[in-house]
Amino acid sequence: ETGVTQTPRHLVMGMTNKKSLKCEQHLGHNAMYWYKQSAKKPLELMFVYNFKEQTENNSVPSRFSPECPNSSHLFLHLHTLQPEDSALYLCASRHSGGTYNEQFFGPGTRLTVL
Amino acid sequence: QKEVEQNSGPLSVPEGAIASLNCTYSDRGSQSFFWYRQYSGKSPELIMFIYSNGDKEDGRFTAQLNKASQYVSLLIRDSQPSDSATYLCAVMGTGGFKTIFGAGTRLFVKA
Repeated sequence: ETGVTQTPRHLVMGMTNKKSLKCEQHLGHNAMYWYKQSAKKPLELMFVYNFKEQTENNSVPSRFSPECPNSSHLFLHLHTLQPEDSALYLCASRHSGGTYNEQFFGPGTRLTVL
Repeated sequence: QKEVEQNSGPLSVPEGAIASLNCTYSDRGSQSFFWYRQYSGKSPELIMFIYSNGDKEDGRFTAQLNKASQYVSLLIRDSQPSDSATYLCAVMGTGGFKTIFGAGTRLFVKA
């Protein structure tokens, strides 16, 4: 599946590092999402962007900073993370024009914070 | 109360049997309901969606929706070992942008 791509696929970082996750969608969608998936927990919605505007910030700590320069690209900037932030970070996209359109997920970035 | 609840399992069924996965949700105004399959180490992939009360069939999969009971289920007929995965129930609420996921039910199909 190449509709939604994410880089890097794996990332190991120290608590003092700064890194960024990238998501790109080639589906012509106009809504993009960041989710966090920890072991044995439900997918946690972090941020929603609709037509490049942030419409949802689900009480995410400020050490996670999203950026959406256009409808096809979404970034998640990371700084001074904690070990409990280690998780799979998933990007998704969908058409926002209809109620019924499903989300398409990227392959995810497996993040480990040491 | 969790917004979307699923039995975490694992649910174990023999090959060829029917697997029944259940999900309840709390937002009575929810309009769209999705079932995703997630293999270990992979991202979720959509297998079924349903919007209206009743049954919807697609191959070996049948989704069932009962809005009055706030209940949605997924039946997998003729279960195969390749169906072994975690199945996520997802509900899109009245806002239109936010999809809430359940924690998932782990299904194991024994050969």
